[in-house]
Amino acid sequence: ILNVEQSPQSLHVQEGDSTNFTCSFPSSNFYALHWYRWETAKSPEALFVMTLNGDEKKKGRISATLNTKEGYSYLYIKGSQPEDSATYLCASHSGYSTLTFGKGTMLLVSP
Amino acid sequence: DGGITQSPKYLFRKEGQNVTLSCEQNLNHDAMYWYRQDPGQGLRLIYYSQIVNDFQKGDIAEGYSVSREKKESFPLTVTSAQKNPTAFYLCAVRTGGADGYTFGSGTRLTVV
Repeated sequence: ILNVEQSPQSLHVQEGDSTNFTCSFPSSNFYALHWYRWETAKSPEALFVMTLNGDEKKKGRISATLNTKEGYSYLYIKGSQPEDSATYLCASHSGYSTLTFGKGTMLLVSP
Repeated sequence: DGGITQSPKYLFRKEGQNVTLSCEQNLNHDAMYWYRQDPGQGLRLIYYSQIVNDFQKGDIAEGYSVSREKKESFPLTVTSAQKNPTAFYLCAVRTGGADGYTFGSGTRLTVV
């Protein structure tokens, strides 16, 4: 079983603040790294799927980077808004294994 | 949600009963997954199926059973052998590539 760790466990910021979270994963036999956003009472929604070392992806105010050699990914949110409040999950594949999820980072953005 | 329907949304089970959670998809993808979420834990894989009539145990399969008779359907049965079934259950379909996985809206199971 892969060990995927996310930090911090929770985060409370003010509207307009920029923030970032970390996901660490085993770097051996790396295949792909996923980020999901999970709002309360909704389904987890895919944000990014990243495979290449050094990859950077962006969707609006949210971006992610990937370092497969050292086994970490950062998720950045620029100018946080209350609607960004959610739990952010990362998950990793290794070879032909299934996805292993971290415990998530719970973000609360206050107006 | 996104072509995946999980039902029911809430389910109450008496101790010793088997219950079946439904997951139906119209996304026309082969691989389907069942995850369980408990407070303070990440999503943990129960069972998965890569193709019709085939399925594999995940990390916490004990006390659960599945079937995959049709591409669209992957029901999960929580048996009386599952010692701590109260949890939130999510079904997912691997839509692949940049889309990652698509999840259903979940079933919250409570043992009463």
